[in-house]
Amino acid sequence: KNQVEQSPQSLIILEGKNCTLQCNYTVSPFSNLRWYKQDTGRGPVSLTIMTFSENTKSNGRYTATLDADTKQSSLHITASQLSDSASYICVVSGRSGGGADGLTFGKGTHLIIQP
Amino acid sequence: DTAVSQTPKYLVTQMGNDKSIKCEQNLGHDTMYWYKQDSKKFLKIMFSYNNKELIINETVPNRFSPKSPDKAHLNLHINSLELGDSAVYFCASSQGGTGWGTDTQYFGPGTRLTVL
Repeated sequence: KNQVEQSPQSLIILEGKNCTLQCNYTVSPFSNLRWYKQDTGRGPVSLTIMTFSENTKSNGRYTATLDADTKQSSLHITASQLSDSASYICVVSGRSGGGADGLTFGKGTHLIIQP
Repeated sequence: DTAVSQTPKYLVTQMGNDKSIKCEQNLGHDTMYWYKQDSKKFLKIMFSYNNKELIINETVPNRFSPKSPDKAHLNLHINSLELGDSAVYFCASSQGGTGWGTDTQYFGPGTRLTVL
């Protein structure tokens, strides 16, 4: 069964600190992995999309890594800001080119940045 | 300019009623989607449309029906509303027409539906 597990479920850190969110998946065959940021009361916003051949991808202070062999991904946030407080959702596509039955969502990590 | 817009933002209605949620995108994208996010914040794809063709149809009740009058619009009609339909519904769009490639999806602000 295709699954995407995210950890931790929630995380509280102080402003300015770094943090790493984890995503483990069992989706196969693998097509791509996405990280979304969802602010409270807003729609998700795409942070990164990584394919099989990509190990690292950065978007500002966000850096995603992918290990397709161990089926793990991480999202590292550097020098956190109050605006980073949000839910971070990992989504894995299990088919290349389409088919919603290949799309598996994680339940998200709720991140709170405290001043 | 708003890329993906939805109306209404909030919708409160009684069980058994029929309601619609509208979605419009001004990005010129080929594919539009509807998602449901439940109280546990779990996102689930419901439908997508590519050039007026339904290309994804998850196992949702047939009380839900997407309607796309043109490429820029994908409306969601819900008949005989039930308590379990209460959720936040998100519309999204992407350039790619093959469903789940590597195209970035752009989400609307969501419609919070409450069924009493």
